[in-house]
Amino acid sequence: GESVGLHLPTLSVQEGDNSIINCAYSNSASDYFIWYKQESGKGPQFIIDIRSNMDKRQGQRVTVLLNKTVKHLSLQIAATQPGDSAVYFCAENTGANSKLTFGKGITLSVRP
Amino acid sequence: GAGVSQSPSNKVTEKGKDVELRCDPISGHTALYWYRQSLGQGLEFLIYFQGNSAPDKSGLPSDRFSAERTGGSVSTLTIQRTQQEDSAVYLCASSPQGRGEKLFFGSGTQLSVL
Repeated sequence: GESVGLHLPTLSVQEGDNSIINCAYSNSASDYFIWYKQESGKGPQFIIDIRSNMDKRQGQRVTVLLNKTVKHLSLQIAATQPGDSAVYFCAENTGANSKLTFGKGITLSVRP
Repeated sequence: GAGVSQSPSNKVTEKGKDVELRCDPISGHTALYWYRQSLGQGLEFLIYFQGNSAPDKSGLPSDRFSAERTGGSVSTLTIQRTQQEDSAVYLCASSPQGRGEKLFFGSGTQLSVL
């Protein structure tokens, strides 16, 4: 069936370095993608989203890249800080329905 | 309130008991979602409400699960005859337009079935 998945379950980075979190999706009909951050004991928090008519979108310290050819999505975090430590989820929507399909999540751990 | 509110934050129950989980969405948001998150897992879609339309119940795992949304606002997720495998965090989200975009999540209800 269709799925959204993440390549690595955990990522450890040095404080101040850039982080890259990758996500693969299998539904070529997906036209909307979104990244969430979830801290312990909290609900997922919106980070950034992108539509399929774009291949890059920037926010504050974050950039999302979309490669539709290989069905790949990535989240780049610049100058990673301890407060960035969390679980990150990518999610997709085909537009034909009204719900997001989530991947399993990847844990980002920032070393001081 | 400013965000999605869920209650209780924690619920411990015995196997076979019924539980009710409550969600107060952001005021003005027409769409409301319930997701389930098992330990170390992603979010599993359960049910979706949009305005006065019939809810999308395609994610409910069994007929023990049901949900309603009264007056287009507050929603209650009910689990009857709880089982240990129902233990999870139940997350509610709302969005302004219901296109499955930019959902705003509550902090969830941690359900533990003993």
